[in-house]
Amino acid sequence: GENVEQHPSTLSVQEGDSAVIKCTYSDSASNYFPWYKQELGKRPQLIIDIRSNVGEKKDQRIAVTLNKTAKHFSLHITETQPEDSAVYFCAASITGNQFYFGTGTSLTVIP
Amino acid sequence: NAGVTQTPKFRILKIGQSMTLQCTQDMNHNYMYWYRQDPGMGLKLIYYSVGAGITDKGEVPNGYNVSRSTTEDFPLRLELAAPSQTSVYFCASRPGLAREQYFGPGTRLTVT
Repeated sequence: GENVEQHPSTLSVQEGDSAVIKCTYSDSASNYFPWYKQELGKRPQLIIDIRSNVGEKKDQRIAVTLNKTAKHFSLHITETQPEDSAVYFCAASITGNQFYFGTGTSLTVIP
Repeated sequence: NAGVTQTPKFRILKIGQSMTLQCTQDMNHNYMYWYRQDPGMGLKLIYYSVGAGITDKGEVPNGYNVSRSTTEDFPLRLELAAPSQTSVYFCASRPGLAREQYFGPGTRLTVT
């Protein structure tokens, strides 16, 4: 099956700085890559996603890039705010039936 | 819409006991999923269903069973609970065509 690796496991940034989280995947057939934000004790919530026919997608301060050749995708958060502090998970899916998640990045934004 | 609901929120089981985790969605979604999340880890897929009457194994199905008799409900059964099943369990659903999954609030299970 698919194997998704996520780095770094923890990330601390100053408020206003940018944060970048990277994921790699193993199966070149994967074609859908969502990112989830999970606050402590809460459920994961989708923040952005990208399909394999697109190289980049933006939504206000959040962007995701995909490099199919290298089989990696990244989450970029600009102008970070304290409320961005959470655990972020990447995932990959081939058919849309099964989703394979990374191990998460704990982001702390220091005011 | 209530979205995806799960019961119970918390449960402590003794080794060897059995229980059913309930999951219900009121969005008429075809696809439903069960994940487990161990501390500091990502989500692992246990079972999924693409519609009523159809279920399939995910990455970590051993020790669990599911059924899908209606579109709304997707219960997860634990038989002979083991400490390795201590985890937070999330149910999720999604519409047939869209890819976004909607997660329930989770069930925190401890087996001692």
